Amino acid sequence: RKEVEQDPGPFNVPEGATVAFNCTYSNSASQSFFWYRQDCRKEPKLLMSVYSSGNEDGRFTAQLNRASQYISLLIRDSKLSDSATYLCVVRPSGGTSYGKLTFGQGTILTVHP
Amino acid sequence: GAVVSQHPSWVICKSGTSVKIECRSLDFQATTMFWYRQFPKQSLMLMATSNEGSKATYEQGVEKDKFLINHASLTLSTLTVTSAHPEDSSFYICSARGTGTAWTDTQYFGPGTRLTVL
Repeated sequence: RKEVEQDPGPFNVPEGATVAFNCTYSNSASQSFFWYRQDCRKEPKLLMSVYSSGNEDGRFTAQLNRASQYISLLIRDSKLSDSATYLCVVRPSGGTSYGKLTFGQGTILTVHP
Repeated sequence: GAVVSQHPSWVICKSGTSVKIECRSLDFQATTMFWYRQFPKQSLMLMATSNEGSKATYEQGVEKDKFLINHASLTLSTLTVTSAHPEDSSFYICSARGTGTAWTDTQYFGPGTRLTVL
């Protein structure tokens, strides 16, 4: 089983649509969770951290369910510029794994006019 | 925000040659840098963790003698792909960890280096 699993998509949605991505992780000791976005042939960029209480940043809402080891990202009112690959990222707790990030395979989103 | 640069941004080389990739933190000191590799349509895979002044820690399955890492200063880490072969062609990305606690530190990614081995 992969440490971080995502539905690879692709998701093709019209502008203005709401789209949700899911992610599961296998290491119950994981401490920190993030969503990154990666544009084609570019480096990943941090979109938002994910907290147990859930957090929102404009059109983006992230949720974490530690009991189910499940992370989600909701994008409302999709824009053309949201087209990218969205990466679910998990960081384990300290010790020898300190600082290491584990990336999911990414979910491709294409927003069309 | 913090900036991490990589050089070169792309390189094409012949099979059997060695290629050095530099990763620099431009406006902060990074005691730890990470090297990732990404093959087409796949996600980033951590290759090694580079610590300033000490030996790098390699992930399982990554050959330390093939991928030489040197972290000689707080702002520079280098990855040398020795005797490169076509299967080493990939997108190599570094990240640098800023200061902070184990729970709050942030990793800043470089723009990546695209290596093509002919």
